[in-house]
Amino acid sequence: ETGVTQSPTHLIKTRGQQVTLRCSSQSGHNTVSWYQQALGQGPQFIFQYYREEENGRGNFPPRFSGLQFPNYSSELNVNALELDDSALYLCASRPSGRAFVTQYFGPGTRLLVL
Amino acid sequence: KQEVTQIPAALSVPEGENLVLNCSFTDSAIYNLQWFRQDPGKGLTSLLLIQSSQREQTSGRLNASLDKSSGRSTLYIAASQPGDSATYLCAGSGGGADGLTFGKGTHLIIQP
Repeated sequence: ETGVTQSPTHLIKTRGQQVTLRCSSQSGHNTVSWYQQALGQGPQFIFQYYREEENGRGNFPPRFSGLQFPNYSSELNVNALELDDSALYLCASRPSGRAFVTQYFGPGTRLLVL
Repeated sequence: KQEVTQIPAALSVPEGENLVLNCSFTDSAIYNLQWFRQDPGKGLTSLLLIQSSQREQTSGRLNASLDKSSGRSTLYIAASQPGDSATYLCAGSGGGADGLTFGKGTHLIIQP
């Protein structure tokens, strides 16, 4: 059984650019969530996908968007990057759509916006 | 809106001590509470999950408790070791698709 993987590990972009981050869920997990973790802060919930549909969203603007694919891998897209988007982006997967099962986190993608 | 607070923000203790990390939350309608460990620059590792109907969970040297009425959870670490050094995060779930609400974490250093 493979764990949650994310790519790339590090990324440098300039303000105004667009970025795509990728996540491969743990085998059998059909629910994926994305989190943003700024330096020294706890992770903040961006959104959740279940069976390829977004079914939950935190307090993030529409320029943060996502996709989930039939094989349960997913993408986080951020348009019009701002300096404050610099953070560690974490994805987490879990089986089914139930909240009482623990989530498994990937190692994260560290994004730096200059 | 759920808010999660962790105290202390940082803690440094000698090896072998027992210690308690605290977490408080504002919304008692919590579905479950989880404790995670995060090593520098890394992702999160789940330590313990306590469902709202439970009072505590144990795993090895770790014990987590949940008191919904007071809005508190504690993580007890027995016989601390240098390998326990990390940031410990607690997170509450409302049970829907609203994700986890995290505290800012407690940065723990165990001195050899």
